[in-house]
Amino acid sequence: DGGITQSPKYLFRKEGQNVTLSCEQNLNHDAMYWYRQDPGQGLRLIYYSQIVNDFQKGDIAEGYSVSREKKESFPLTVTSAQKNPTAFYLCASRSWDSNQPQHFGDGTRLSIL
Amino acid sequence: DQQVKQNSPSLSVQEGRISILNCDYTNSMFDYFLWYKKYPAEGPTFLISISSIKDKNEDGRFTVFLNKSAKHLSLHIVPSQPGDSAVYFCAASAITSGTYKYIFGTGTRLKVLA
Repeated sequence: DGGITQSPKYLFRKEGQNVTLSCEQNLNHDAMYWYRQDPGQGLRLIYYSQIVNDFQKGDIAEGYSVSREKKESFPLTVTSAQKNPTAFYLCASRSWDSNQPQHFGDGTRLSIL
Repeated sequence: DQQVKQNSPSLSVQEGRISILNCDYTNSMFDYFLWYKKYPAEGPTFLISISSIKDKNEDGRFTVFLNKSAKHLSLHIVPSQPGDSAVYFCAASAITSGTYKYIFGTGTRLKVLA
């Protein structure tokens, strides 16, 4: 069954610690995205990648980093520089064809200890 | 600057009646519009979309209408069912710097009352 897998579902971070959220897709999609959702807000774009070994900052990239070493994988690292990391993080992918929807994983909820 | 707005944070509808969710946008470069449904602690699920060259798209109980002159998008659900209770996000897409970027509204929580 094709889809997007995010892990872990829940993650706790201590002050000053970096944590990495995993996102894997087997849809053979070229483009992948990371979003952050806060209560009462829409999804805000953190980073996106169109092809392997290439990625661009979204609207709220500060305090985050990504890599795209494989087409299937787009991990997100929340660094200690991100001062307000508590949020619901969503990974999405889409094919490169025009007018195609993004497909989302089930998200990772990150909380601060 | 909120380019995609959903001005109603919540909506309650009786089972069997029509649910109408609204969305306004400001960027005339958007050429593709989508609706997603989201349950708590899950990712959004794609529901229906419409290209800017159309003004209506229908899929079963779900119909999306696009009014480009008013920069307005709406989702109609007929008849509404209790399982439709969820948060609905509208999104708009435009190609920017060679890639498709999606801008999401803040969501409308729909509650369908049995």
